[in-house]
Amino acid sequence: DAKTTQPTSMDCAEGRAANLPCNHSTISGNEYVYWYRQIHSQGPQYIIHGLKNNETNEMASLIITEDRKSSTLILPHATLRDTAVYYCIVISFQGAQKLVFGQGTRLTINP
Amino acid sequence: KAGVTQTPRYLIKTRGQQVTLSCSPISGHRSVSWYQQTPGQGLQFLFEYFSETQRNKGNFPGRFSGRQFSNSRSEMNVSTLELGDSALYLCASSPGTGALTSSYEQYFGPGTRLTVT
Repeated sequence: DAKTTQPTSMDCAEGRAANLPCNHSTISGNEYVYWYRQIHSQGPQYIIHGLKNNETNEMASLIITEDRKSSTLILPHATLRDTAVYYCIVISFQGAQKLVFGQGTRLTINP
Repeated sequence: KAGVTQTPRYLIKTRGQQVTLSCSPISGHRSVSWYQQTPGQGLQFLFEYFSETQRNKGNFPGRFSGRQFSNSRSEMNVSTLELGDSALYLCASSPGTGALTSSYEQYFGPGTRLTVT
């Protein structure tokens, strides 16, 4: 699976859009980008995934660059409850069906 | 649907003892994965079970084992506990069949926090 690089921490004001970047410059053509988050004292929570097209669901939007070397998770109207560690994971379906978590980005939403 | 449940939520054991943790997946999910989370190593994959068979295994010693029952419920066992086994143990379930993308949409339980003294 391709390696990902994320900023260690970020801050965002409540009500503003939170944009979390992820670099995955070695991603292969058949690898997907998945995002999870972990709120303090809880298990990780699946957010969204994508291959090459932008994706949106009720939680977030995922923007993947045309060359697929980076992506951005967007929380359109961040709330205090969005404070969490966000993990960007690149998945190759050819390997074992497991999630490999990096260090993630600690996002703090400020009132 | 009810979420993934794990029991117990907290556990304190002594070095050398063994421990069994339990996980009940979301109804209809046939794949159960286990992860260990520590401050130093982060989230690490232990193993995955599907239809009562271990399908994938992480890089953990043989003291860590698991099993899955016919109702998809799963248990993991750690024998001869060491201080370094203190961690949050997370269980996650997914459908396990169908589109491969769904296998990575895993639903995690709240975890069992194990403290080894």
